[in-house]
Amino acid sequence: NAGVMQNPRHLVRRRGQEARLRCSPMKGHSHVYWYRQLPEEGLKFMVYLQKENIIDESGMPKERFSAEFPKEGPSILRIQQVVRGDSAAYFCASSPGRGNQETQYFGPGTRLLVL
Amino acid sequence: ELKVEQNPLFLSMQEGKNYTIYCNYSTTSDRLYWYRQDPGKSLESLFVLLSNGAVKQEGRLMASLDTKARLSTLHITAAVHDLSATYFCAGMEYGNKLVFGAGTILRVKS
Repeated sequence: NAGVMQNPRHLVRRRGQEARLRCSPMKGHSHVYWYRQLPEEGLKFMVYLQKENIIDESGMPKERFSAEFPKEGPSILRIQQVVRGDSAAYFCASSPGRGNQETQYFGPGTRLLVL
Repeated sequence: ELKVEQNPLFLSMQEGKNYTIYCNYSTTSDRLYWYRQDPGKSLESLFVLLSNGAVKQEGRLMASLDTKARLSTLHITAAVHDLSATYFCAGMEYGNKLVFGAGTILRVKS
């Protein structure tokens, strides 16, 4: 049973470019979460999605960041016009979506470096 | 709003010694998680503590939860080098949002 998959594992972008990070949840999971880990810090919640619906985006920066989880395909975290401060590890997690306070299983992360 | 604080943030210990990492949280959290992260890797779930007085053990690690004191501890017994990693505790806010502590970097020296 494959775990949470993320790609790419490493992404280098120049300032002003767009970054697209993909996350495929574990088989049978319908809820996806994105977290960001800045260097030397803990993880910070960004957004919580289920298929075709954003449940909670209270941790998302108001500008340049967006997330989606379409009916078919992976969840996408999109960062437009990246800046150096966006350099971080972005982790996706998934849960079955059958109740509240479910255990979340984390993917390997995407390390984004903005030059 | 849930806040989670860990201490110490950095821990250097000798092999064979015991030590405890503390995790305080600010408001009610029905469950408390402990994760391990190796450098450049993802988070590995270690323990989920669901109720007051819960204690779980796996190998040289033991975690406990005191909901009245809003405190969880991760106790390391007879540390070995393989335990070197960063350890995070996390509470969960209503709505499945995990709130993480800053992490404790553990280095076990031979």
